[in-house]
Formats: sequence, structure tokens, C-alpha cells
Amino acid sequence: DAGVTQSPTHLIKTRGQHVTLRCSPISGHKSVSWYQQVLGQGPQFIFQYYEKEERGRGNFPDRFSARQFPNYSSELNVNALLLGDSALYLCASSVGQGPYEQYFGPGTRLTVT
Amino acid sequence: AQSVTQLGSHVSVSEGALVLLRCNYSSSVPPYLFWYVQYPNQGLQLLLKYTTGATLVKGINGFEAEFKKSETSFHLTKPSAHMSDAAEYFCAVTFGYNQGGKLIFGQGTELSVKP
Repeated sequence: DAGVTQSPTHLIKTRGQHVTLRCSPISGHKSVSWYQQVLGQGPQFIFQYYEKEERGRGNFPDRFSARQFPNYSSELNVNALLLGDSALYLCASSVGQGPYEQYFGPGTRLTVT
Repeated sequence: AQSVTQLGSHVSVSEGALVLLRCNYSSSVPPYLFWYVQYPNQGLQLLLKYTTGATLVKGINGFEAEFKKSETSFHLTKPSAHMSDAAEYFCAVTFGYNQGGKLIFGQGTELSVKP
């Protein structure tokens, strides 16, 4: 069975640009969460989507947005990139909104120059 | 405020020795607790979790953890370390059933295993 997939694996952007990261959950999973992991730190929660609705938002500026599609895949968008947005962006899926196991993808490494 | 603290950013043990990674949480509501492992350049893999029921939880690769409410702790242990256990370990917590998708992670503990 395919796990959580994320694309792209790596990308390099310039300050001020926009980026879109993509995530495909495990088949049958309806919840997708996004996390930002800065080097040397634990992941920080950005968003959770369940059944195509936003169910949680972390302490991130409005430059960060996301959405979930009818097939439960998800996109994370970041506008006006800053150097501090350089990080590993992790997507996790689970069967529902409750405290179920979250399965993480390999992440997208974003470098902002 | 709800938070997670991992004591020790780096732990080093000899192969075959006991592994003990410490995690404490702060919360006014019952927590759901998790331990994840991250190998270099990879995503996170769940080792074990506590939601309800038995407070001693067994996970994969010989790891276990005990939820101690009185101490607000969820320490991770393994009786005998193996070289392949070298990785970054994260304690995580979520509060409230409908907050299940929002994990709060500790800063991580890097485990080194010496031959």
C-alpha cells in the first residue's frame, strides 16, 4: 500500500515568491495535517483539514494557507516567502479527526534564498 | 499553556545498554501521548501511543513507555540499545478528541549508540 506522498521533494525559492506544496494521503484517510520542521527543532503544527474543511490552525501568519480536495489530497500555499520559511514541510494523514495515528510523508525541503 | 518538554537534546548510550528518553507535558486536560522516531532525511514514524486504558504501552522495535499522570510524564525506554536505534526521537501530545490532528511536539532528543 502506498504511504503518504509529498511533492516536490526539494525546491529552492527566492524571497517574495510563492510556493505550493502537495500531499496525497493514504487511501481511506480523510484527515490531513501540515507541519513545519525547522532544522534542529520539533515539527510545528500549521493546519489540519478533515472532510475538506479546516479543523485547526497553528500560530502561523496569513501568508500560509491550505485546502483539501474532494479526493482528500491537500495543498499548502505560502506567499511572500521569507528566509525564515526555509524548513522541512511535513504532511500527515489519519483516518479521522480524533487522536488516531498520524502517518507522515517524507516531507518537502524548502530553501528560501 | 499546553506544552511538551523533552529533557536532554542529546543522549548517548552503549550498544546493549538501557535507553531512557524523558518527556513531560503540561496540560489541564487529559492528554493523548505519542512517541515518534525520525531517521535522517525521512519523515516521522510512530513508535507508540497512549490514548486510554493501560498506562504501560508497548511499541515497535522493543520500545515501551509509561504514562504517569501524577508526574505528567511519558518516558520512553528500551532495555537494550541497538546500533539501528540511532535517530531523533520526538514526544508529542494532543489534547481533546477533536484536536487529534494537532500534535504538539517536543524539541526532540538525538540518540547516539556507541559500539
